[in-house]
Amino acid sequence: EVRLLESGGGLEQPGKPLKLSCLASGFMFRSYAMSWVRQTPGKGLEWVAGIVGGGGSAYYADSVRGRFIISRDNSENTLYLTILNLRAEDSALYYCAKGPNFDWLYYGSFDAWGQGTLLTVSS
Amino acid sequence: DIQMTQSPSTLSASVGDTITISCRASQTVNTWLAWYQQKPGRAPKLLVHSASTLEGGVPSRFSGVGSGTDFTLTITSLQPDDFATYYCQHYSGYSRTFGQGTRVEMK
Repeated sequence: EVRLLESGGGLEQPGKPLKLSCLASGFMFRSYAMSWVRQTPGKGLEWVAGIVGGGGSAYYADSVRGRFIISRDNSENTLYLTILNLRAEDSALYYCAKGPNFDWLYYGSFDAWGQGTLLTVSS
Repeated sequence: DIQMTQSPSTLSASVGDTITISCRASQTVNTWLAWYQQKPGRAPKLLVHSASTLEGGVPSRFSGVGSGTDFTLTITSLQPDDFATYYCQHYSGYSRTFGQGTRVEMK
């Protein structure tokens, strides 16, 4: 059974860095592209970043490029999202989502999701 | 960025009804289009990918059609378990964008 377990959210202050984690199990992690998708009541679902199976290429939404870094450790079956400088608008439920293939182009649906980690950015 | 627009935002229906949800892309996405179902407090669940391919385990009452910029998700004989919010999502090129969602509520 595919399982994705996010962690690292909480109440954080604006301007600080933060690293979210997603521990994967039940599938060959290195063989699949992975993404982070966030959700807020006001903006719905927003894909923020994705990374191919080997970790060599990463992709970002325009709204977060330059401030978010997606990475993965295939030896630890773990996906990461580093936010360099938290803003109030980063407050959201952050989901880790699995792609259906190693690659990125043409394989962009998300066939498994974690339960999310809630991030609140406030002073 | 490609924008995805769903209609309606809310749909009231009864068990047994057939409903249709529309999704329009701001530019062509070919058939790089997925549909998800989300229930309160739960993560989204993939229903359809490649515009019309049903994900494994999804009931056959769900169906997706479309290509280019216009897509629809149809649920025939609506079941109590189908009351939820539905999202479309494109995956054309390197970005991904979701529609704003369609909430299917009980009439």
